[in-house]
Amino acid sequence: SQTIHQWPATLVQPVGSPLSLECTVEGTSNPNLYWYRQAAGRGLQLLFYSVGIGQISSEVPQNLSASRPQDWQFILSSKKLLLSDSGFYLCAWSAGGPEFYEQYFGPGTRLTVT
Amino acid sequence: SQKIEQNSEALNIQEGKTATLTCNYTNYSPAYLQWYRQDPGRGPVFLLLIRENEKEKRKERLKVTFDTTLKQSLFHITASQPADSATYLCALPYVSSGSARQLTFGSGTQLTVLP
Repeated sequence: SQTIHQWPATLVQPVGSPLSLECTVEGTSNPNLYWYRQAAGRGLQLLFYSVGIGQISSEVPQNLSASRPQDWQFILSSKKLLLSDSGFYLCAWSAGGPEFYEQYFGPGTRLTVT
Repeated sequence: SQKIEQNSEALNIQEGKTATLTCNYTNYSPAYLQWYRQDPGRGPVFLLLIRENEKEKRKERLKVTFDTTLKQSLFHITASQPADSATYLCALPYVSSGSARQLTFGSGTQLTVLP
């Protein structure tokens, strides 16, 4: 069966510090991968998605970036965090291909920028 | 641009009753619609997918309808239980830049089932 992992679970970082969140997927190949952010009491905002190694698309301009060095690995990064980067970050995967398959979410990372 | 609205931010119902949540969309003709459940501090969990040519779909105590004329989906939980308390999100496929693999999520309806 497929599983998705995210770490760390919680993170408190000062403004201006770097960020690296990692997401890995097991039990599937060539998945589509997604990074979302959810502000407190708000909906999901799609940040990045990837259909393959090295293929990243950004939905919202920001100081965040994403990379996919392996088929099963998706990394969210920032060189300098802003207060507005605080939120609940979720990684998700779906089956690859042109169809709109359901998405499966990881446990999330709660980021607080102080 | 596409817009998704879920009927209310919060809905309280008595245990045993049927909960009905609404998802409306505009400027859109989706081929299908999905519903997810999200518990506090957790990632959303996929519940049901309904296609445009399906008027109704059921899974155990869950029922989803999809009216492409009204541009609306209704999500029903029958014989509701306190364990059904959660935030329920509807999601529609999103097309941008020629790619067809994203979902746009509504802001969700927080359901509380009172014992």
